[in-house]
Amino acid sequence: DTGVSQDPRHKITKRGQNVTFRCDPISEHNRLYWYRQTLGQGPEFLTYFQNEAQLEKSRLLSDRFSAERPKGSFSTLEIQRTEQGDSAMYLCASSLAGPDNKNIQYFGAGTRLSVL
Amino acid sequence: ILNVEQSPQSLHVQEGDSTNFTCSFPSSNFYALHWYRWETAKSPEALFVMTLNGDEKKKGRISATLNTKEGYSYLYIKGSQPEDSATYLCAFSDNAGNMLTFGGGTRLMVKP
Repeated sequence: DTGVSQDPRHKITKRGQNVTFRCDPISEHNRLYWYRQTLGQGPEFLTYFQNEAQLEKSRLLSDRFSAERPKGSFSTLEIQRTEQGDSAMYLCASSLAGPDNKNIQYFGAGTRLSVL
Repeated sequence: ILNVEQSPQSLHVQEGDSTNFTCSFPSSNFYALHWYRWETAKSPEALFVMTLNGDEKKKGRISATLNTKEGYSYLYIKGSQPEDSATYLCAFSDNAGNMLTFGGGTRLMVKP
């Protein structure tokens, strides 16, 4: 399977715990995005990387959230001191930046986080 | 803040019915409009990306149109099948062309 993969698919944690999610993009893609989707809403942008550089962060990304893409390949999203409001589906997407690719983003199946 | 709206929020149709959904988006700073299909427990799947006013795209029984001047796109499904049941998301990207701003989706359920 050469698509975007995310791990784990589901995570249940207690309030106050830290969690980390991983995303492996399509191998030749230089851009990687994180989105969050809550029930009844569309996905909301959190942050994106071009290679290893984090180029944009949404104001949704509070200080408890940190994302890394150390070697320009896989990425991790960490949430510290989780709160019940962090319960959501966390989606990762990747794309190949270029003049004609129209920013088509390819998504993983997401990590569903439940904070108890 | 970019506002992307989709209607209806949900739709129940019978197998064989044709249906359509609407996506409205800002008409300024337009770069591209995307449609995705998202089935439960799967990845959102890219259906179409459109960039030019008047664009029409087709994939099997599904087609989409784009009006960038008035800021709307329609997605049409002809002869709905149960396997078309999914949430259909539209997403707008502006001139910066990086992040996607999604609508809330239209959840389609096709009854056999």
